[in-house]
Amino acid sequence: EAGVVQSPRYKIIEKKQPVAFWCNPISGHNTLYWYLQNLGQGPELLIRYENEEAVDDSQLPKDRFSAERLKGVDSTLKIQPAELGDSAVYLCASSSFEDEQFFGPGTRLTVL
Amino acid sequence: AQSVAQPEDQVNVAEGNPLTVKCTYSVSGNPYLFWYVQYPNRGLQFLLKYITGDNLVKGSYGFEAEFNKSQTSFHLKKPSALVSDSALYFCAVRDPATSGTYKYIFGTGTRLKVLA
Repeated sequence: EAGVVQSPRYKIIEKKQPVAFWCNPISGHNTLYWYLQNLGQGPELLIRYENEEAVDDSQLPKDRFSAERLKGVDSTLKIQPAELGDSAVYLCASSSFEDEQFFGPGTRLTVL
Repeated sequence: AQSVAQPEDQVNVAEGNPLTVKCTYSVSGNPYLFWYVQYPNRGLQFLLKYITGDNLVKGSYGFEAEFNKSQTSFHLKKPSALVSDSALYFCAVRDPATSGTYKYIFGTGTRLKVLA
């Protein structure tokens, strides 16, 4: 069984530029999460989807971050414009309800 | 408010010795508790979970954790540490609310160093 796939693995951009991250969850998992992880810290939830519905986006900075999960499968997280403080690892995870989360390898974003 | 605490930033243990990584939580109702491990440049990997039942939960790679309701703790343990266990460990708690309303929170992590 394939795991959670994320791309790109690494991204370097100039501040004020846009950037997008893509996630393909494990087949059949209805719940998809996007997290931000700073070095040596725990993941912080940005948004959680149940199928195609965003059920928790309270921590998503909506002035510059957006996300979508079309057809309840793949998801894209976008930042526009990026700021220096957005440099971090962006993790995608998926799960079946009540079960453990399966994480992708993450996208390491560096904003210069 | 729901929260999870990992009081130790780092735990050092000699190879072959038992290890404990501590986690305490605060949540309304009966919590769902999880442990994850993260190796360098990798995503988090699930180790074990407690939802209901036996307070001692066994998981991957010889790890186990004990749910203690009175102390609101869910400490991770292993009888004999390996150098390869060196990694970053995260405790996570989910409240038992129904789908759509639950909150899932991770601790700040504990770095485990197993010394040869």
